[in-house]
Amino acid sequence: QKEVEQNSGPLSVPEGAIASLNCTYSDRGSQSFFWYRQYSGKSPELIMFIYSNGDKEDGRFTAQLNKASQYVSLLIRDSQPSDSATYLCAVIQTGRRALTFGSGTRLQVQP
Amino acid sequence: IAGITQAPTSQILAAGRRMTLRCTQDMRHNAMYWYRQDLGLGLRLIHYSNTAGTTGKGEVPDGYSVSRANTDDFPLTLASAVPSQTSVYFCASSPGQGNSPLHFGNGTRLTVT
Repeated sequence: QKEVEQNSGPLSVPEGAIASLNCTYSDRGSQSFFWYRQYSGKSPELIMFIYSNGDKEDGRFTAQLNKASQYVSLLIRDSQPSDSATYLCAVIQTGRRALTFGSGTRLQVQP
Repeated sequence: IAGITQAPTSQILAAGRRMTLRCTQDMRHNAMYWYRQDLGLGLRLIHYSNTAGTTGKGEVPDGYSVSRANTDDFPLTLASAVPSQTSVYFCASSPGQGNSPLHFGNGTRLTVT
């Protein structure tokens, strides 16, 4: 079992729809959770981070964390073609010094 | 503009050659990291440094070494490159350990032939 799992996609949604990206993690003691966006050929850029159970909203983005079920999700409302990218979930696991990344989900927003 | 600078942007290297990837940050971040990114495998941690003068091994450290002589610089050295080290290498930094998010450089695309 991978430590941080994501569906590789591609996840295809029409413009204006809600895109839902999911991530599960194996270490129950993980405390901090991050979502990065990576355009093709570019470096990852931070979208959001969440530390506590529940929802955290920032503009069109909402991160959801459920520690009991060990999953974290990212919702993108009113998806735009410019949101087409790979979304990386990252977790700080117990005793680790750095982020552990999932392999990413590729999102395609169709105009 | 504050950030992380990586050099070179890309490199083709013959197997067996020695190569140093450079990384410099001007944000005075304590922690720095080297990741490699391969298709289908995501980002994997090679080495990290929590503060100047200290380094640690990540998930895939074999064949790589690092040094952290000062806060700003964190070079990654391949002593004798092998084709399996063909990858995109990202340097990253964060203000501290724990909850701090990472800031990434633009990456170095390395091809070992």
